[in-house]
Amino acid sequence: GAVVSQHPSWVICKSGTSVKIECRSLDFQATTMFWYRQFPKQSLMLMATSNEGSKATYEQGVEKDKFLINHASLTLSTLTVTSAHPEDSSFYICSARGSGTGVFTGELFFGEGSRLTVL
Amino acid sequence: KNQVEQSPQSLIILEGKNCTLQCNYTVSPFSNLRWYKQDTGRGPVSLTIMTFSENTKSNGRYTATLDADTKQSSLHITASQLSDSASYICVVRGSSASKIIFGSGTRLSIRP
Repeated sequence: GAVVSQHPSWVICKSGTSVKIECRSLDFQATTMFWYRQFPKQSLMLMATSNEGSKATYEQGVEKDKFLINHASLTLSTLTVTSAHPEDSSFYICSARGSGTGVFTGELFFGEGSRLTVL
Repeated sequence: KNQVEQSPQSLIILEGKNCTLQCNYTVSPFSNLRWYKQDTGRGPVSLTIMTFSENTKSNGRYTATLDADTKQSSLHITASQLSDSASYICVVRGSSASKIIFGSGTRLSIRP
């Protein structure tokens, strides 16, 4: 199956710093990627939809200035948590939806997740 | 409204026992349904994908069924193992590429 790579898999940072998480589709193109947040023992919560070459669409209650999303190419989307605080500590997961005419078109593949701990 | 509902929300069973997880959806028109397994601290991994014409599909000890008429799917786990402890997420894709709806998941715990 298709592979979606997230980096870093875990990060610890000081309060007030910014952290960037990358999401790459390794063997397919993805015009659309999704970013989720997941707290312990809870289900995935969609934060935003990232569209290549355009602005991301944020879910209600998600601060776009806090969580900056850039989708500069068909295989890469980044999520930057700006001025991180302890309450931003969470598990962040991306998924990529295959685009074009390949076998992965329309299908959704998940990254391994990135665990952020803000001290 | 397109929805995907999973039940039960959580389940605890003893190792070696079987269990069945349910997924009901209202997504229409329907394209396919996937079951994902998410281990704690990991990203979801696809177990099976069911299309409209498929009634049952197996992947090892996992067997998924689909009734497109009643819009119901189940995931049956046979002879459960401790490693089956995870969240199981049902995701339904509509015929429009923009429609991908997530269930809230079932948290399964296998006890020795």
